Amino acid sequence: QVQLQESGPGLVKPSQTLSLTCTVSGGSISSGSYYWSWIRQPAGKGLEWIGRIYTSGSTNYNPSLKSRVTISVDTSKNQFSLKLSSVTAADTAVYYCASSFSSWGQGTLVTVSS
Amino acid sequence: QSVLTQPPSASGTPGQRVTISCSGSSSNIGSNYVYWYQQLPGTAPKLLIYRNNQRPSGVPDRFSGSKSGTSASLAISGLRSEDEADYYCAAWDDSLSGSFYVFGTGTKVTVL
Repeated sequence: QVQLQESGPGLVKPSQTLSLTCTVSGGSISSGSYYWSWIRQPAGKGLEWIGRIYTSGSTNYNPSLKSRVTISVDTSKNQFSLKLSSVTAADTAVYYCASSFSSWGQGTLVTVSS
Repeated sequence: QSVLTQPPSASGTPGQRVTISCSGSSSNIGSNYVYWYQQLPGTAPKLLIYRNNQRPSGVPDRFSGSKSGTSASLAISGLRSEDEADYYCAAWDDSLSGSFYVFGTGTKVTVL
């Protein structure tokens, strides 16, 4: 199984864009029929799917976030990324990346605050 | 925004069997596979069941999943203290604007 690691700023100001990267190791992001997802979890609350991308570039997004979300993939770096624009305090959460949901990163806390 | 409903909590004594329900609709559970995740305190979720009733390698056969119509359930037999965790069901939902993944509301399992 592949391993995943999230990285990015832990603090983002309101109205700015949250940017995270997920680095895949132990396998190529281009191999197989995997898709690559982002999920988030506010403290003490449940899981929320943000979106996914195939290495072909095809994406699906959560309708409630679609207008603010962009997921992209960089096969040369074995990474995929998340951008969430116009953030508010409600976007404060632990953000996870996952491969077809079988392997998950450890998660990274992103706090939206001025 | 969860469209899959689970009971907030479930409990049992060691060795007992605990069942968690997950209620959805025709656009998600009714027409797609169900997945179950276990989230131990302070850790990332772990895939427990995929395609309704399949276990990834390494998942004990004490965990089993089933689906009927627009509902699904997860059963934990021979409950152990290490099973104390949050459990989430999930499924793809086919909407007019495309497919999106929905998680259940989550169930906290307590071992008494």
